[in-house]
Amino acid sequence: GQQVMQIPQYQHVQEGEDFTTYCNSSTTLSNIQWYKQRPGGHPVFLIQLVKSGEVKKQKRLTFQFGEAKKNSSLHITATQTTDVGTYFCARPSGSARQLTFGSGTQLTVLP
Amino acid sequence: DGGITQSPKYLFRKEGQNVTLSCEQNLNHDAMYWYRQDPGQGLRLIYYSQIVNDFQKGDIAEGYSVSREKKESFPLTVTSAQKNPTAFYLCASSIGGRDREAFFGQGTRLTVV
Repeated sequence: GQQVMQIPQYQHVQEGEDFTTYCNSSTTLSNIQWYKQRPGGHPVFLIQLVKSGEVKKQKRLTFQFGEAKKNSSLHITATQTTDVGTYFCARPSGSARQLTFGSGTQLTVLP
Repeated sequence: DGGITQSPKYLFRKEGQNVTLSCEQNLNHDAMYWYRQDPGQGLRLIYYSQIVNDFQKGDIAEGYSVSREKKESFPLTVTSAQKNPTAFYLCASSIGGRDREAFFGQGTRLTVV
């Protein structure tokens, strides 16, 4: 499938610091989705971005879709211990629009 | 409650044995998927199905088989041909065809000894 590169792979922050993960594609994306997986849990859908330059917010989380629709980011302001987990971006690909996931960014929040 | 159910949560098998992982959904979703997750890694697509009685190979289908005889069910068999079967297996479903979000089951952690 068509890959999406996600960086960084790991991020440790002190509680209260900000956090950002980036997702990059070599091809234009029709849309991009973001998921969160808590330790030992399963991925849970957070949001879908569709429009060029789109910015969406969910409380302390800000999601952006690049103007060229080739990259996306998730920014968390003032992290809390409840933010711990792995954040994945995912893109539809193939004739059946099956989701291809990035490798994820594992966030650790130190109290 | 609507949802997607995987069973069992933990599964242990001896090397050389086939094992079938269950996935059932009552969301009336057309599309269903199987992903494999290894420690510290992303999700890799094994098989997917867009409609009943039809399924396609994903990126890492070798050593796995599936069936889709009912809309609600999409079992995955890990065969003895799979060289490194120990992993976390996630089943997902979506409305399909419209780039809608995927809903995941709780996962099955398979350990082959």
